[in-house]
Amino acid sequence: SSAVTQPPSVSVAPGQTASITCGGVNIGVRNVHWYQQRPGQAPVVVLYEDFDRPSGVPERFFGTNSGNTATLTITRVEAGDEADYYCQLWDFTSDLPVFGGGTKLTVL
Amino acid sequence: EVQLVQSGPEVKKPGESLKIFCKASGYSFSRHWIGWVRQMPGKGLELMGIIYPDDSDTRYSPSFQGQVTISVDKSINTAYLQWSSLKASDTAIYYCARRTFIRGVTANWFDPWGQGTLVTVSS
Repeated sequence: SSAVTQPPSVSVAPGQTASITCGGVNIGVRNVHWYQQRPGQAPVVVLYEDFDRPSGVPERFFGTNSGNTATLTITRVEAGDEADYYCQLWDFTSDLPVFGGGTKLTVL
Repeated sequence: EVQLVQSGPEVKKPGESLKIFCKASGYSFSRHWIGWVRQMPGKGLELMGIIYPDDSDTRYSPSFQGQVTISVDKSINTAYLQWSSLKASDTAIYYCARRTFIRGVTANWFDPWGQGTLVTVSS
């Protein structure tokens, strides 16, 4: 199955580290991609293929993927990181992308 | 600059038809899959389907098969999403997004995304 699950919400104080998980059976053998969606804006990719960052994405954003969990970690969290974050992988059976349900990151 | 520009907001009544567009620029339109994604109010991202502009090969998510039609006009670098009979539950923001390339081959993520089209269906 390609179903993936994310926690609905994560809260963190400014300057701390936020970890957002994406769970799925053997997700570690898949490539996972992460999108940030700020309020009122379209999604933007912040990590692709587990841990690669598009140009312009700060090094504070990094990813890991192993076993049944992929994780987006944001260090030194800033107010501007407050957004919804979605993981996505490709289902090669249907040949369609699959999105996680999204995690709302709140910066306290 | 690679850009996807979508049509403006729509307000429709139940039962009406609608076709929204996504116009691409800055890249070879025919060579990149385009996806359509629904986001209902306060909810997450749902993939509706994808289309390959060069040959119009189209795949629909099961939830959307038969509910919408995805098409392209590659002569004007434009993808479309259409409904024949809208329902109130179609109220959502609809995004188009380009399946990008990596190292010269088709990647499995989307970049960039259009700005979204808000569709409101209400009697």
